[in-house]
Amino acid sequence: DVKVTQSSRYLVKRTGEKVFLECVQDMDHENMFWYRQDPGLGLRLIYFSYDVKMKEKGDIPEGYSVSREKKERFSLILESASTNQTSMYLCASSLPGQGAYEQYFGPGTRLTVT
Amino acid sequence: GDSVTQMEGPVTLSEEAFLTINCTYTATGYPSLFWYVQYPGEGLQLLLKATKADDKGSNKGFEATYRKETTSFHLEKGSVQVSDSAVYFCALSKNSGYSTLTFGKGTMLLVSP
Repeated sequence: DVKVTQSSRYLVKRTGEKVFLECVQDMDHENMFWYRQDPGLGLRLIYFSYDVKMKEKGDIPEGYSVSREKKERFSLILESASTNQTSMYLCASSLPGQGAYEQYFGPGTRLTVT
Repeated sequence: GDSVTQMEGPVTLSEEAFLTINCTYTATGYPSLFWYVQYPGEGLQLLLKATKADDKGSNKGFEATYRKETTSFHLEKGSVQVSDSAVYFCALSKNSGYSTLTFGKGTMLLVSP
């Protein structure tokens, strides 16, 4: 059974803290993605990675960075958390290639920044 | 740029009613189209997909047909159940590059007994 896991379901952090969100997949997928989900805005792509140590900016990369040191693990980093980064964060992975490959999602991390 | 527009919710139905959730897209070329579903407290999971014009995707009683002439991919189900209550997302993926998904804003479906 395919699986994408995220390190925490719920996280509460203070403004200015450095925050790490971890994602691990066991499907040997090349592609991994980080999204944030907000009511009325749907899912927006933050960053994605198509190979170890490779990354590309998505639609809303400001305030975020990522790390992919191993194929199965993709980390999202908030260098200095702010209240407008309170959101649900979803990780996904997929096979490489074009178009029709399904993305598999983790359960999400609900981050609250106070 | 690419975009997906889907009807706003919530859509409220009684059990066994017919469901339609509208989805239209804007994209160059020939994207693949998807419907994802998110049950309460969970991540998204693929419901169905279609990769070329006139393809029909189907799963769990849900269907959607890729209509290039109207740039649409409407989701339908003939008889909804309470367990279908969830948020439904329409998405597209360009058949080039890194296959990133562009999502609509989601439509919440609430089915009452």
